[in-house]
Amino acid sequence: DGGITQSPKYLFRKEGQNVTLSCEQNLNHDAMYWYRQDPGQGLRLIYYSQIVNDFQKGDIAEGYSVSREKKESFPLTVTSAQKNPTAFYLCASSIRAGTSGSYEQYFGPGTRLTVT
Amino acid sequence: GENVEQHPSTLSVQEGDSAVIKCTYSDSASNYFPWYKQELGKRPQLIIDIRSNVGEKKDQRIAVTLNKTAKHFSLHITETQPEDSAVYFCAASDRNQFYFGTGTSLTVIP
Repeated sequence: DGGITQSPKYLFRKEGQNVTLSCEQNLNHDAMYWYRQDPGQGLRLIYYSQIVNDFQKGDIAEGYSVSREKKESFPLTVTSAQKNPTAFYLCASSIRAGTSGSYEQYFGPGTRLTVT
Repeated sequence: GENVEQHPSTLSVQEGDSAVIKCTYSDSASNYFPWYKQELGKRPQLIIDIRSNVGEKKDQRIAVTLNKTAKHFSLHITETQPEDSAVYFCAASDRNQFYFGTGTSLTVIP
């Protein structure tokens, strides 16, 4: 997981502004993910990408957008359409584990976004 | 889709006692079951995992058991220490899709 970086660690924005969260990995993982975590809550999937130039909506994609132009990078844009954007955002990537058919997922350090 | 339920949501144990967290899943296609530990404000860290062709796996004080027939798996922590205090998440995965439980907040009382 040391190979997944997110920046910045803390981000403050005014309501109505779009903001882009960075996620980079140097692990050569094919799949990348964005999760949202609210206080005392579990992880909710926003978007995921299994390969460059392809991504799918997760459970709570409304108000968010992503791109996957490079294997290493999967930025998340929180748009002004997202009603409650204040949360802890976690990026993750996964790699196939041997020949088992399963994948192991690792997380970045997270970005705490506060919108006022 | 897959549905993962996790219990209990909170757990307090005395230092040195054991802690058990249980999860159930719904999709028989899930074949990989990781457990993550998340300390306050930090990233979830993979602490142990089990694949569907294995019934039990141990790593020092932690162990995971899997019952494929009943579709449930459990995390066991023995000889708990204060540094074990954290939120623990279970997950079930099929290929590269991951479905998480809602987390268990474990407090180890010195």
